[in-house]
Formats: sequence, structure tokens, C-alpha cells
Amino acid sequence: DSGVTQTPKHLITATGQRVTLRCSPRSGDLSVYWYQQSLDQGLQFLIQYYNGEERAKGNILERFSAQQFPDLHSELNLSSLELGDSALYFCASSVAGDHNEQFFGPGTRLTVL
Amino acid sequence: LAKTTQPISMDSYEGQEVNITCSHNNIATNDYITWYQQFPSQGPRFIIQGYKTKVTNEVASLFIPADRKSSTLSLPRVSLSDTAVYYCLVVMNRDDKIIFGKGTRLHILP
Repeated sequence: DSGVTQTPKHLITATGQRVTLRCSPRSGDLSVYWYQQSLDQGLQFLIQYYNGEERAKGNILERFSAQQFPDLHSELNLSSLELGDSALYFCASSVAGDHNEQFFGPGTRLTVL
Repeated sequence: LAKTTQPISMDSYEGQEVNITCSHNNIATNDYITWYQQFPSQGPRFIIQGYKTKVTNEVASLFIPADRKSSTLSLPRVSLSDTAVYYCLVVMNRDDKIIFGKGTRLHILP
């Protein structure tokens, strides 16, 4: 158990819908990262937040957005969902804003029908 | 942005030492080399990180030559449970994109 929690574990929805994925980092960690993993794309970095502020941006689509709240939990919002958005979404956390050891959550499996 | 190249897959046998090499030709001065392990449907797990020469912990060793253009993850006496995907990534010690790449699929045979 990494100490990072993600909810929900599974999510099934339809194209065009909007969903919110939630992540709670390890106690004391200030950074939260979001990743998308699909079969054909491998593990793709989406975005990083550090202490409430956006720190680094990866291949995050405009239909996706994220935020980190004052209590340091984070949410990833996915809108206008497409079939290709079906994937495992991982959240990770680390102590500081640099990219040292990251602790990954169990992931949310999103299925878009 | 540093990019890494690893073998797509490797097979080995229980009890053997496994070495996985990663190329990172355009590594920058401030970049660290980090390795993660991932089992199916689980999040990656940090294995080891290094900057130069050799780093060892309870599960692996990381060898980095002087030019730092490659690195080798060494897993001593592997077991069936070491079957996983291993990712090498080069990470600047400040804010920047993170590129995991496709990883190396290691299959341990009995």
C-alpha cells in the first residue's frame, strides 16, 4: 500500500459524458501527478500540481483539467469523453516539487462506451 | 527533453542476475536516472534512483558510467515475482515533463 488513494476504482460511462477522478496523496506529500495508461500508449504524464499550483504539464488534452485543493487532494476532470479515453488513470504523489520518488495509487479504470 | 531507449522485452530464469540497460544520449547535467517497476493493473513502484557511478539498495543496483549516456539496472537472483515491466526515466531535479517510455517487459521463467 503506497498511501495514495484513488476513487472510484472503476468507472463506466458513455461518450460525451463528464467524469471526475479523485486522488488523496500520502500524508505530507505536496506534489500530485496524474498519468494515463492505455494499452497502445504506455504511461503518459498528464499534469503535476505542487502545493495547489500547477507545476508541469504533459500531454493533457484540452478536454481534461485538474486541480489541487487546499487539503492537497486532487481531482482530474475529463469531459466530452471519447472511446479513446478509456484507460487506467493513475495518481502519484511525492514529498516535494521535484521528480524524486513518486508513490502511485491503485488507479481508476475508466471505460467509455 | 531527455528520451530513453530500453529493450522491449527480456526473458531470464529464476536465480539469475538480470541486467536491463537504458540509453539516454541527451541526458542533461541536472538529470537523475530513475527506475520503476510495474505489475499488471497496478501503479508503478519506485525501485532506485541515481546520478552517477553506482547506487545499491535492498532490491537492486544501478550502474551509471562516467558519460551518463546509459545506465544499467541490475536485479540479483530474480524470482518469478520479478516478472513485470521496468521503466527507466530521466528526470530533471526540478519541474519538467516526465517521460516514462514503453518500458522493458521482463519475464522470469522457472
